[in-house]
Amino acid sequence: QVQLVESGGGVVQPGGSLRLSCAASGFTVSTSGMHWVRQAPGKGLEWVALLRYDGINEYYADSVKGRFTISRDNSRNTLSLQMNSLRAEDTAVYYCVKASGWLMHYWGQGTLVTVSS
Amino acid sequence: EIVLTQSPATLSLSPGERATLSCGASQSVSSNYLAWYQQKPGLAPRLLIYDASTRATGIPDRFSGSRSGTDFTLTISRLEPEDFAVYYCQQYCCSPLTFGGGTKVEIK
Repeated sequence: QVQLVESGGGVVQPGGSLRLSCAASGFTVSTSGMHWVRQAPGKGLEWVALLRYDGINEYYADSVKGRFTISRDNSRNTLSLQMNSLRAEDTAVYYCVKASGWLMHYWGQGTLVTVSS
Repeated sequence: EIVLTQSPATLSLSPGERATLSCGASQSVSSNYLAWYQQKPGLAPRLLIYDASTRATGIPDRFSGSRSGTDFTLTISRLEPEDFAVYYCQQYCCSPLTFGGGTKVEIK
């Protein structure tokens, strides 16, 4: 069955960088659209980025555009999120999500990113 | 950007009662591309309903979704103890994809 396991979260200083990974099993990322969605502590859900199934078309929330990059490694069957110029407001649990079309179908358990000095 | 407004913010009900959750969209959501998710504390969201009214695999039939114009409704016909959680609506027709603010269904 579909499984998604995020890793790479941790504490980083403002202005720093972090790279999240999502190991997928039960399907191949090379044929699936994939999202990143985040949730700040005690807050609601916020969509972050989408990589379409073609691996070419990327979409970003305005709040992260120009700072975050979504990508995939087909050989390792993983999804990544490179996060640069991090801000306190980026503090959140980040979820990797398998898409069906653009529908957020299967969710990972999340990884916590804390941006603090 | 399509803004989704959920109401009420909190719904206090007893097990066995009917729950009606609302989600209003600021503009048309094409192709009925609206989903509902359930989230329990410390866990990832779970897909309940997609395409406004289709139950996801394994979701009990006490959960149902409907649409009237730009207003969407999630109904839980008879609340079970495991249904007390936060529910989010989300549109996936148009970028940026957006979520509603959530409705917490709590035990009265």
